[in-house]
Amino acid sequence: DIVMSQSPDSLAVSLGERATINCKASQSLLYRPNNKNYLAWYHQRPGQPPKVLIHWASTRESGVPDRFTGSGSETDFTLTISSLQAEDVAVYYCQQYYSYPPTFGQGTKVEIK
Amino acid sequence: QLQLRESGPGLVKPSESLSLTCTVSGGSISSDSSYWGWIRQPPGKGLEWIGDVKYGATTYYKSSLKSRVTISIDTSNNQFSLKLSSVTAADTAVYYCARRGVYNNPYYFDYWGQGTLVTVSS
Repeated sequence: DIVMSQSPDSLAVSLGERATINCKASQSLLYRPNNKNYLAWYHQRPGQPPKVLIHWASTRESGVPDRFTGSGSETDFTLTISSLQAEDVAVYYCQQYYSYPPTFGQGTKVEIK
Repeated sequence: QLQLRESGPGLVKPSESLSLTCTVSGGSISSDSSYWGWIRQPPGKGLEWIGDVKYGATTYYKSSLKSRVTISIDTSNNQFSLKLSSVTAADTAVYYCARRGVYNNPYYFDYWGQGTLVTVSS
């Protein structure tokens, strides 16, 4: 199984400041025939199901604000929230869909400082 | 707009079977471009994929649960279901049903149900 490791486990950021979450995969998620990284980012607000923000490592899902940016390739990925808003308080997860079983990172809790 | 909704008992006794159903609306369960899956989340913990099913294709299960899990499709009711046998307290979790689209292979989970809490307790 591909192991997904996120860092940090939690972070507190002031409103309007940048938040950065890292995700590392135990093997490459880059499928070279189509040059796509098989990685998604979700956030989960309290009491809600996860919601996909980013897929293919850097493609924003329709309707997701442009303050959310995904980057990285192969084994190292980053989710950046450029200007944290109150509604961004949530747990963030990365997930690989390169191979079965699909696996998630352990989550990163983002709070307001 | 695709919508998914879980239903089933919220309390199951240890050693018994957990059975949940996911009703899909706004789209067909027999779509060639959808995989239907179950994910669970123990209280206060992270997300664990349980299994996937696609109409007319192979069903995939998490290896550690494979001996206890069955996921099946009911096209007449546009539903898919989860059965987990011999449950213990470790199976207490919020259970989500979700859809994955297909790009050669199944990809990320783009539609989710609201989730249903199942507690295993006598």
